[in-house]
Amino acid sequence: GAGVSQSPSNKVTEKGKDVELRCDPISGHTALYWYRQSLGQGLEFLIYFQGNSAPDKSGLPSDRFSAERTGGSVSTLTIQRTQQEDSAVYLCASSLSGGKNIQYFGAGTRLSVL
Amino acid sequence: DQQVKQNSPSLSVQEGRISILNCDYTNSMFDYFLWYKKYPAEGPTFLISISSIKDKNEDGRFTVFLNKSAKHLSLHIVPSQPGDSAVYFCAAFKERGAQKLVFGQGTRLTINP
Repeated sequence: GAGVSQSPSNKVTEKGKDVELRCDPISGHTALYWYRQSLGQGLEFLIYFQGNSAPDKSGLPSDRFSAERTGGSVSTLTIQRTQQEDSAVYLCASSLSGGKNIQYFGAGTRLSVL
Repeated sequence: DQQVKQNSPSLSVQEGRISILNCDYTNSMFDYFLWYKKYPAEGPTFLISISSIKDKNEDGRFTVFLNKSAKHLSLHIVPSQPGDSAVYFCAAFKERGAQKLVFGQGTRLTINP
C-alpha cells in the first residue's frame, strides 16, 4: 500500500492479557516510530527504529512494553499484562531516513483495556 | 514535563475568517517545528514546518510564524474553510539529540459556515 498500515484498527482486551499491535511502514522508509495518544492528550513518543541501529526505547513507559522491527520493515508493539491506563490510540509513523524528514502516520490502533 | 504546549483545547472560527492557532515551547534547544492536522479516525498528516533560522514560512493559505525569543509559534489559516475543521498539533524537534518529535496536546478547530 501507499501509506502506513496498522492493524488491528480496534482492540478490546481484558486487564492482564497481552496484546500485539502491528505496523507496516511505507516501503523504503528506514525510520519507524511508535506514539500513543491518551484521551485529551498529545502524542507521546514511545520508541524509534532507524535502519540497523539500536532502537531508541526512551519513551516506553514500563517494561511491559516492547517493540521489534523485523527485516527493517514491519514492526510489532507488544504490551504484556495490560492495564486500564494502557487504553489509548497507538500510532505508528515512518519517514524516509529519520531526522527532520516528514513522518507519515498510520490511522492507529485504538486499544481498550477493560 | 510538557515541553510543547497548546493552551487552547478548542477554537471556533467563521468560514472565510482567519484562524490562529498558538503553541509555546520551553526547550530552547528545539530547532525545527512542525504542524500536523488530524481528522477523526485518521492519523495526523503533515501540514507545514519551519526551521529555527526563519521567522515565517508560508504555503498557500497556511503560514507559520516563529518567535524564538518568546518561544512561541503560531499557525495562521486564511481564509478558513469548512474542510479545515480538525485537530491541529504542533511538534518540535532537536536536530542534535533524540530523534523524536515532541507534540503539544492539540487544538480542535471548528470552522462554522
